[in-house]
Amino acid sequence: AQKITQTQPGMFVQEKEAVTLDCTYDTSDPSYGLFWYKQPSSGEMIFLIYQGSYDQQNATEGRYSLNFQKARKSANLVISASQLGDSAMYFCAMREGTGTASKLTFGTGTRLQVTL
Amino acid sequence: GAVVSQHPSWVICKSGTSVKIECRSLDFQATTMFWYRQFPKQSLMLMATSNEGSKATYEQGVEKDKFLINHASLTLSTLTVTSAHPEDSSFYICSARMIPGGSASRGSPLHFGNGTRLTVT
Repeated sequence: AQKITQTQPGMFVQEKEAVTLDCTYDTSDPSYGLFWYKQPSSGEMIFLIYQGSYDQQNATEGRYSLNFQKARKSANLVISASQLGDSAMYFCAMREGTGTASKLTFGTGTRLQVTL
Repeated sequence: GAVVSQHPSWVICKSGTSVKIECRSLDFQATTMFWYRQFPKQSLMLMATSNEGSKATYEQGVEKDKFLINHASLTLSTLTVTSAHPEDSSFYICSARMIPGGSASRGSPLHFGNGTRLTVT
């Protein structure tokens, strides 16, 4: 079974609009972390935002916010006021357990295209 | 600025040769580094976990004799693709987690190198 599911292979959004990228996850570990990364065409992986399983509030980082619905096991990324530079692949990832050796599992990604 | 440096950023080699990729943590120590592989338009797949001073832990289906990992110091891990074949052509990317005290980011996220695009002809 997929641990991280991103059902949107591609999304379009107009500049200055908000967009939501979906992510659902599957784990039986009570302690886990959810991450979103951005991968531009150049290939580097840029960390955007983190949500811990015990966090009571949704994470926010500038224009990025995470809509964390624990009971539904979803962790959607919301990008507000989209910019042309936001066009990239976006990956949702999960880390189960704690410790420096705990692995990060990625979803299949969503390609976001911001249009004028 | 970058906290993980990966070199080379791209390499073309002939079939049958070996290629070494370096991954360095900058200004922090990384007892554990992770090596991922990404095929075009696909997700990142974990290949192995590199442990300083001990053997790497490989994911199921990854040939340890083909993808040699050495983590000889707290700031350097290397991945050597031995006897490369065209099907090994891919984007290889390493990552490391800054130990608490070295990163202000919540969740101690993985920091990634810029990746190495390997083409085997």
